[in-house]
Amino acid sequence: AQTVTQSQPEMSVQEAETVTLSCTYDTSESDYYLFWYKQPPSRQMILVIRQEAYKQQNATENRFSVNFQKAAKSFSLKISDSQLGDAAMYFCAYRSNQFYFGTGTSLTVIP
Amino acid sequence: EAEVAQSPRYKITEKSQAVAFWCDPISGHATLYWYRQILGQGPELLVQFQDESVVDDSQLPKDRFSAERLKGVDSTLKIQPAELGDSAMYLCASSLGRQVGIIQYFGAGTRLSVL
Repeated sequence: AQTVTQSQPEMSVQEAETVTLSCTYDTSESDYYLFWYKQPPSRQMILVIRQEAYKQQNATENRFSVNFQKAAKSFSLKISDSQLGDAAMYFCAYRSNQFYFGTGTSLTVIP
Repeated sequence: EAEVAQSPRYKITEKSQAVAFWCDPISGHATLYWYRQILGQGPELLVQFQDESVVDDSQLPKDRFSAERLKGVDSTLKIQPAELGDSAMYLCASSLGRQVGIIQYFGAGTRLSVL
């Protein structure tokens, strides 16, 4: 069965610094996508970044980048130059035929 | 910017009562999803529609939950009777299609408290 594990329930980072959120997943499939979603307090969840399993190059979106290690089934999110607005719950998600979310990491940004 | 609309934002009900949630997806989005998010956990997919048809309801507790999307636009999720364990955030999302890598757009959710 597919599972997504986020081992860091809470993380904190100083403003302007870099933080990495961890995610591992388990699957026997070869074709899938991985996502990081951000859920700010009392606001809707939005997509941060996505990665197709067949692409070796790590995805990047402005200050957000991923480290995708397919063999290790690892998909970490790096946030550079952290801003106060980055404070939120971050969910790692896996999708092939089904859509599985991890339990989330709560990120605090310290001014 | 177009958004997924959900109502109500908050709902308090008593055990054994019926409750319903409404979702209006982004215009033109053929695929609609309902998720349940229990406090401290990630969202769990309950049901997925493609237009008016259900394509996945494998995780929907069908003895008490039902969902419909009669005209392939807005959707209603119903719980009858509600149980204490149903207290959660119910999220609706939509996307243009069903492709694996497609972006889903989420609504703000309905927070249900069952007393």
